Amino acid sequence: EVQLVQSGAEVKKPGESLKISCKASGYILNSHWIAWVRQMPGKGLEWMGIIYPGDSDTRYSPSFQGRVTISVDKSINTAYLQWDGLRASDTAMYYCARCSSQQLVNWFDSWGQGTLVTVSS
Amino acid sequence: DIVMTQSPATLSVSPGERATLSCRASQSIRSNLAWYQQKPGQAPSLLIYAASSRATGIPARFSGSGSGTEFTLTITSLQSEDSAVYYCQQYHDWPPATFGQGTRLEIK
Repeated sequence: EVQLVQSGAEVKKPGESLKISCKASGYILNSHWIAWVRQMPGKGLEWMGIIYPGDSDTRYSPSFQGRVTISVDKSINTAYLQWDGLRASDTAMYYCARCSSQQLVNWFDSWGQGTLVTVSS
Repeated sequence: DIVMTQSPATLSVSPGERATLSCRASQSIRSNLAWYQQKPGQAPSLLIYAASSRATGIPARFSGSGSGTEFTLTITSLQSEDSAVYYCQQYHDWPPATFGQGTRLEIK
């Protein structure tokens, strides 16, 4: 069974750094793109960026380019989303999601449970 | 970026009736469209991919149609458990593989 298990909720202050994780199991991490999706409180889904663990090819939405970093550690089947200077506007639920087909960016067939990030002074 | 526009924003339908949700793309995306269901407090889950193919375990009450720029999600014989927000997503052109803003389906 494919599972994506995300790290727990975080409370941070503006300007702090943060790295949240998404651990994959039940399949070979290398073969499927993994994306990060933001959902601000009471709002819709926003596609942030995507990484292909096989070669770490990473693409970002222009809206998030330069604000976050997506990475992967294949040795522990884990993808990451990182900020170097959090803002209050980064307060949101963040989901990781797996693309269905090997080597293709397409629909998401598995989602993590979400990580709630709260940024407040 | 391709803009995905969903309508209506909110839909209220009685149990047993049919719900029709629309999604429009700002340019042709062929059949590269997925639908997701998100219930309160839960992660989204896949309903439909390639515009009209049901994901594993999704009942036949859910159906998708359309191609190009106009797409529809139809849910027949509505049940209380279908109350959720439904999102369409294009994966034809990325980054980003954009989502619509969602349609909230309420069961009366």
